This record gives sequence, C-alpha cells and structure tokens, in this order.
Amino acid sequence: GESVGLHLPTLSVQEGDNSIINCAYSNSASDYFIWYKQESGKGPQFIIDIRSNMDKRQGQRVTVLLNKTVKHLSLQIAATQPGDSAVYFCAEEVNEKLTFGTGTRLTIIP
Amino acid sequence: DAGITQSPRHKVTETGTPVTLRCHQTENHRYMYWYRQDPGHGLRLIHYSYGVKDTDKGEVSDGYSVSRSKTEDFLLTLESATSSQTSVYFCAISEGTNNEQFFGPGTRLTVL
Repeated sequence: GESVGLHLPTLSVQEGDNSIINCAYSNSASDYFIWYKQESGKGPQFIIDIRSNMDKRQGQRVTVLLNKTVKHLSLQIAATQPGDSAVYFCAEEVNEKLTFGTGTRLTIIP
Repeated sequence: DAGITQSPRHKVTETGTPVTLRCHQTENHRYMYWYRQDPGHGLRLIHYSYGVKDTDKGEVSDGYSVSRSKTEDFLLTLESATSSQTSVYFCAISEGTNNEQFFGPGTRLTVL
C-alpha cells in the first residue's frame, strides 16, 4: 500500500524561532490529512487537520499547508516553545483508514 | 485523552499465552481503532470497528482478533502471544471519515 513519508527524521530549532515540518504523501486519493504531536510516554495528540479542498489552514500558532500538485504537506509552528518538543506525525486518510508517517522529532534549543 | 481509557497500561507475558487489551470510551463515537507503534514503523493499524459487531482488518492484523459488543468497548486479543507482538498498543476513536482520531494513553506489552 501507499505510505506517508517525512523528509527529515530530526529537527532542532532555537526557542522563539519558527519550525517547519514537512511530509510527502503518495496516494492521490487521500482527501483528509492530520498532524499529530506525541510526547514521550503519551498517545498522539491531534494538532490540526486539513481537507483536500483547502490549501491552508491556521490554528493557534500552527499552520498546515497542503500542496496537492506535488503531494506535500507541511506543519508550521510559530514562536516555538520548550513544550513543543515532541515527535510530530502526519497522517493521510484513504477509505476510512489513516496511514501515518514515521515521525519527525522536534527539539527546541533554549 | 478525549474520554478514552486503556487497560492494562503495562503487561508482561510469556510466549504462547492469550492476552486481551481493552479500550473504553465515553464519547459515544462510532469508530474505534487499534494500532501498534514500533520504532521505525510509526503507527500501524491492526483492526478497526465502524459499529457494534462491525469490524475490519487493518495493515497488520495477523495474530490479532477484535470484538465490539457495545459502543463503548473495543477489545483486542492476541490468541497466542509471540515476541514479535511486543509493542505499544494505542486505541483511537473517531466520529467517522474526515474526522480526527483521538488516541488513548497506550498499553505497553512485553512478550518474553
């Protein structure tokens, strides 16, 4: 089956700077995408989602961009804080099922 | 954790023994899912349910069975545990397609 991938397994960012986490997907039938945050020892936590009829969606300090032409998804976190340190997963939905990428570990440098 | 509990949270068992993990929700969501999470693989779907007594297989269903006799409970059974089933298991719930899934706290299972 098709899978979701991430360009970088780790990302270190200075506190206060903006972070961008990228995700590539290959299934053109995917119509719904989600970003999750997972802290050590906890379950994934929903951050933001976007449907395929949109190319941008904003939340509190987070923005998701969807480029269907190149099958690319990104998560932007503004003014990163120590609490943003975690593993971030993108997921795509096809036929009621989510397929997850392996994740990017974001480390915030004080 | 959006009204989702998993039990037990930790379990150590021996190869060949049966194991049942329970997921309980208080949100009355129609869909429930079982995933396993392993290093290098991310989250992989084992089985899911789209209603009481309605279940379907996921990507890695071999060696696992599920049951859903009521809306709030979704059970995952390993009939005869193997060391390859050592993993962290997550339950998730959802209102359906194009809706976010909410995850439980996870169960760490070790099969010796």
